[in-house]
Amino acid sequence: AQSVSQHNHHVILSEAASLELGCNYSYGGTVNLFWYVQYPGQHLQLLLKYFSGDPLVKGIKGFEAEFIKSKFSFNLRKPSVQWSDTAEYFCAVNAYNTDKLIFGTGTRLQVFP
Amino acid sequence: DAMVIQNPRYQVTQFGKPVTLSCSQTLNHNVMYWYQQKSSQAPKLLFHYYDKDFNNEADTPDNFQSRRPNTSFCFLDIRSPGLGDAAMYLCATSSAGQGRGYTEAFFGQGTRLTVV
Repeated sequence: AQSVSQHNHHVILSEAASLELGCNYSYGGTVNLFWYVQYPGQHLQLLLKYFSGDPLVKGIKGFEAEFIKSKFSFNLRKPSVQWSDTAEYFCAVNAYNTDKLIFGTGTRLQVFP
Repeated sequence: DAMVIQNPRYQVTQFGKPVTLSCSQTLNHNVMYWYQQKSSQAPKLLFHYYDKDFNNEADTPDNFQSRRPNTSFCFLDIRSPGLGDAAMYLCATSSAGQGRGYTEAFFGQGTRLTVV
């Protein structure tokens, strides 16, 4: 069965600091990978996705993620965070040829001015 | 333009009183999902429909049922809500599955259920 792990449960940063959030999944086959963001009081929104091709994908708001197949990882990065990035970040995995999207436990990011 | 619409946004129900949450979509996606999200936790998949085919997660309690009368609408029925069922319920859609490729899931705003 698929599972997704996010090791950072709560991250606190100052503005302009760099961000990296870890995501690992367990599934031996081909996967589609996603990062979603949930701002306080809002619905889940897609930050970026990886289906195939260049393992370094760029998303909205300056976020990027790198798929490393050998490590079963899809870490999210941003060179310089802003206060407005304060939110909950979820990694999600879809095993190819299935309909299911499975989420990690999420990482709460707090950015202080 | 809202694409996945959940009603109501907030629902208060009494312990043990059946409640129905609704979801509609304008994307014509073949897959619809229901997730339960408790505070500071990941969305937990309850079940999903691939077209009319219902797929229940093994650990979803029998108390939770779903109906999908047509492509656009999907309902979550909680037969006898308990205090532990208080949560945000998320509906999502995607165009996915069975070799047809997968797109991202689009989420509604959610329905926050309170059980009193």
